[in-house]
Amino acid sequence: DAKTTQPNSMESNEEEPVHLPCNHSTISGTDYIHWYRQLPSQGPEYVIHGLTSNVNNRMASLAIAEDRKSSTLILHRATLRDAAVYYCSDGGSNYKLTFGKGTLLTVNP
Amino acid sequence: DVKVTQSSRYLVKRTGEKVFLECVQDMDHENMFWYRQDPGLGLRLIYFSYDVKMKEKGDIPEGYSVSREKKERFSLILESASTNQTSMYLCASTFGTWGNQPQHFGDGTRLSIL
Repeated sequence: DAKTTQPNSMESNEEEPVHLPCNHSTISGTDYIHWYRQLPSQGPEYVIHGLTSNVNNRMASLAIAEDRKSSTLILHRATLRDAAVYYCSDGGSNYKLTFGKGTLLTVNP
Repeated sequence: DVKVTQSSRYLVKRTGEKVFLECVQDMDHENMFWYRQDPGLGLRLIYFSYDVKMKEKGDIPEGYSVSREKKERFSLILESASTNQTSMYLCASTFGTWGNQPQHFGDGTRLSIL
């Protein structure tokens, strides 16, 4: 079975960078890596995804290890609005994604 | 923007009832998914559908069935609700046939089975 693991919680200070790690122990060569975040009382929201090379968008950056067994979501300057549960996932070659259990990010003012 | 709408935010039902959770998306997406979300367990896939009338079991399909008669609508059915099905249920949709497109989620239905 696919195994996607991430820390239960992390803490950061406002305006500092945050690096959220994820291990993708059973990822296959054609599986994409996705990250989502979830605010209270809302459904998960897409953040970023990639296959092999690092990716940037207006929300975050995604760093993917050369062997693709790990990825890191980078928030360059955390704000209070970034406090959320962050989910990494991988998959897609059979239509579905396997999600980790989520990392609760706390941002201190 | 893609809109995924779940028919109810909160629902309370009794043990043994047949329960329908409805999900509608407005972007002509081929793929639709039902997940349940429980504390400490993250998101777990129940069923997904990659086309009208097509369905595939996810990781935890026991006690559930699904229906997709129209492309925009995907229903989750609890044939005989039990207390262990009390949970947050999330619907999602995505375009395309591979994992290179983001999934778009609804805001969830919090279901309580008494």
